[in-house]
Amino acid sequence: GAVVSQHPSRVICKSGTSVKIECRSLDFQATTMFWYRQFPKQSLMLMATSNEGSKATYEQGVEKDKFLINHASLTLSTLTVTSAHPEDSSFYICSARDPLGGDYNEQFFGPGTRLTVL
Amino acid sequence: GEDVEQSLFLSVREGDSSVINCTYTDSSSTYLYWYKQEPGAGLQLLTYIFSNMDMKQDQRLTVLLNKKDKHLSLRIADTQTGDSAIYFCAESRGTGRRALTFGSGTRLQVQP
Repeated sequence: GAVVSQHPSRVICKSGTSVKIECRSLDFQATTMFWYRQFPKQSLMLMATSNEGSKATYEQGVEKDKFLINHASLTLSTLTVTSAHPEDSSFYICSARDPLGGDYNEQFFGPGTRLTVL
Repeated sequence: GEDVEQSLFLSVREGDSSVINCTYTDSSSTYLYWYKQEPGAGLQLLTYIFSNMDMKQDQRLTVLLNKKDKHLSLRIADTQTGDSAIYFCAESRGTGRRALTFGSGTRLQVQP
């Protein structure tokens, strides 16, 4: 199946710094990628939909100035957590849909990025 | 309340069958999925079912869908210790490039 990578897999930063997380589709082009957030022992919550060449669509309650999304190419979307605080510590997972894939809207998930803000 | 609900924990013995249940609320769900997440890892698609199907079988996995009751289940036959993980059901509404709505996940523990 298609492969989605994320970098870094783990990051620890000081409060107030910004952190960039990359999501790449390795063997397919993805016009749409999704960013999810997962708290410990909880489900994945959709943060935003990243569209190549246009602005991201954010879910209600997600601050767009806090979580900057850039989908500059068909294989790369980035999520930047600006001025990170301890409450931003979480597991961030991206997914991408292969538009040439089946009709069942299969999404391929990255391995996730664990962010710890001290 | 949540759109997709699951029980939190299931413990079975190796070799037994596991049944993980899920209920959803949106009757417009088009596809329903089961994903597996191992510790510290991303999600792996196990199987999916289209909303006009009742059952789908794929090797050790059997998915049953009761659309009237909005109930989805995943049966794992001959459960192995390697099946220990968190299992998420998810739904997709409509067609196209839509995000998935996930349940809370069921932690499956397989005892040797």
